[in-house]
Amino acid sequence: KAGVTQTPRYLIKTRGQQVTLSCSPISGHRSVSWYQQTPGQGLQFLFEYFSETQRNKGNFPGRFSGRQFSNSRSEMNVSTLELGDSALYLCASTAFERGGTDTQYFGPGTRLTVL
Amino acid sequence: SQQGEEDPQALSIQEGENATMNCSYKTSINNLQWYRQNSGRGLVHLILIRSNEREKHSGRLRVTLDTSKKSSSLLITASRAADTASYFCALSSGSARQLTFGSGTQLTVLP
Repeated sequence: KAGVTQTPRYLIKTRGQQVTLSCSPISGHRSVSWYQQTPGQGLQFLFEYFSETQRNKGNFPGRFSGRQFSNSRSEMNVSTLELGDSALYLCASTAFERGGTDTQYFGPGTRLTVL
Repeated sequence: SQQGEEDPQALSIQEGENATMNCSYKTSINNLQWYRQNSGRGLVHLILIRSNEREKHSGRLRVTLDTSKKSSSLLITASRAADTASYFCALSSGSARQLTFGSGTQLTVLP
C-alpha cells in the first residue's frame, strides 16, 4: 500500500495570507490526524477527523481549521498567517487494531514558512 | 500534563554500542508508541506497546513498559550510523486517538 502523502512538501507564505495543506491517508484508513511541530513547542496535536467529522481538537486558535472528504482525504487551513505558524505540519493516518489500540502512520510533512 | 518526558535529551554513542532512551509520563495510558524522525522529516513508526504488555521486540529494538512506574524504555542494540535520528515516545490515552508526544531524544551514532 502507498503511504500517507502530503502536498505540498514546502510552502512559503507571508503574514496575513491563508494556506491549505492536503493529506491523503493510507488506503482504507478512515481517521486522519494533524500535528504541528516547532522547535519551541515540539509536536502538538491539532485535530482528528473520522468519517468527515472532527472528533478531537487540540488547543489551537480558530484560525486553524480542517475538513475531511468522503474519500478520507483531509485538508487543513490556516487563515491570517502569523510568523509563529512557521512549522512542519504532519498528517497521520490511523489503522484500527484489535483491542482498540491504534498505530498512527505519518506522512512526510509540509514545511510551512511564514515571512 | 499527559506529555511524556524523555531522557536523555541527547545521546552520542559509537557504532556497535547499544542506545537506551527513556520516557516517563503521569497518567494512565492505552498504549505507548515510539517513533523515529530524521532531520525534520516525517515520523516513522517503530513499535507500539499496549498497556497490558511489559516488553516487546522488533528486530534490534526492545521496548519495555512499566505502568506502575509510568515509564518506558527503548533499547536499540548494535547501533548503526543510520540510526542517527530523533526518537519520540507518544502516549495514547482515553478514547481519543490523539497522541501526546515527548520532547524527544536526539541520538547520534558515530561511525
